[in-house]
Amino acid sequence: GQQVMQIPQYQHVQEGEDFTTYCNSSTTLSNIQWYKQRPGGHPVFLIQLVKSGEVKKQKRLTFQFGEAKKNSSLHITATQTTDVGTYFCAGVGSGGSNYKLTFGKGTLLTVNP
Amino acid sequence: DTGVSQDPRHKITKRGQNVTFRCDPISEHNRLYWYRQTLGQGPEFLTYFQNEAQLEKSRLLSDRFSAERPKGSFSTLEIQRTEQGDSAMYLCASSLVGRGVEKLFFGSGTQLSVL
Repeated sequence: GQQVMQIPQYQHVQEGEDFTTYCNSSTTLSNIQWYKQRPGGHPVFLIQLVKSGEVKKQKRLTFQFGEAKKNSSLHITATQTTDVGTYFCAGVGSGGSNYKLTFGKGTLLTVNP
Repeated sequence: DTGVSQDPRHKITKRGQNVTFRCDPISEHNRLYWYRQTLGQGPEFLTYFQNEAQLEKSRLLSDRFSAERPKGSFSTLEIQRTEQGDSAMYLCASSLVGRGVEKLFFGSGTQLSVL
């Protein structure tokens, strides 16, 4: 079955440093989504990428979808303490009629003020 | 929009007992998903509904798990003869298909502890 892998598992940064998490799928994806889960909270949707090579920005966050639609990344510039949480990528496999998001294990980001 | 609500928030049960969880999705949403999450892991897909039809069920899900969405609104997830390995956070999410990006809105989850 489809597998989605994320690295690193944990990342600790000083406030103001940049942060990147990477996501790789075992199969080609029709689209990929990113979610953020604050400690003790539930996942909250951040963005969806659909097109090969797509790049989207949300303020200090930059999301990329690979040319082969099998990998993605999230980059945060100048981290702030409010960025703390676990960032998950979730992919939908291409082909087939059923829509099932497969989540990676996530990257836990902690920020030292 | 009152969000996705789940009940109960916490459930402690003894091994071998049956438990049932309820999820009320956002009212106009036509898809409803159940996920399970353990500490340090991402949400693991269990099953999903479009309206009242159950479209897919994870192969990892044993026959002890059953979910219903009888009128295409709220859903229930039942676990029979619970085992300690069932201890996890059970997350419900809903979405609206057919209007742009299908984003999942998650509830706060039901934390199950099997003793």
